[in-house]
Amino acid sequence: KNEVEQSPQNLTAQEGEFITINCSYSVGISALHWLQQHPGGGIVSLFMLSSGKKKHGRLIATINIQEKHSSLHITASHPRDSAVYICAVINFGNEKLTFGTGTRLTIIP
Amino acid sequence: EPEVTQTPSHQVTQMGQEVILRCVPISNHLYFYWYRQILGQKVEFLVSFYNNEISEKSEIFDDQFSVERPDGSNFTLKIRSTKLEDSAMYFCASSRQGGGNQPQHFGDGTRLSIL
Repeated sequence: KNEVEQSPQNLTAQEGEFITINCSYSVGISALHWLQQHPGGGIVSLFMLSSGKKKHGRLIATINIQEKHSSLHITASHPRDSAVYICAVINFGNEKLTFGTGTRLTIIP
Repeated sequence: EPEVTQTPSHQVTQMGQEVILRCVPISNHLYFYWYRQILGQKVEFLVSFYNNEISEKSEIFDDQFSVERPDGSNFTLKIRSTKLEDSAMYFCASSRQGGGNQPQHFGDGTRLSIL
């Protein structure tokens, strides 16, 4: 069973700040997802990665397989980035995602 | 961009009744999933489905639950004899490949309220 931990649980920042959300897991994985959940509840997949780094617009995701750790960074944060960000992993040989508890991000104008 | 669609967006049902949640996965996807999120808790896996059969299920997915792909487009979750603790947001997801080789795409969810 993989234990997925995220930090911080809640994060409030000023518009324009650089944001970092961390995720650690206990067992080796085949892939890690970063997901965004909006206030209405819908879930959007931001990144899927198994090694290295990916970038999409102002979002950057990195993963360190040896340390079982991933980070999600947001540059030049904006109020529309306010959401819950969730880390989820897939173990080798599994189909299912195991989710972290999420980080609630609030960006203040 | 293709989307996973779920209906209804909100379902209110009396305890003990049967409910069917519907999903239309992305058309060229082969792997289908149901997850649920009880209010204030993290998302939990229920079941995965591939090649017209269940490929993996959690301990939550007991005899009360069943899944079906009745035609080429729909993927349904049936909950028999609903209980109060079944109240949650239910998410359908699909992917082109399994095992973490392709991302899972989520629908907007169905909020199920059991009275």
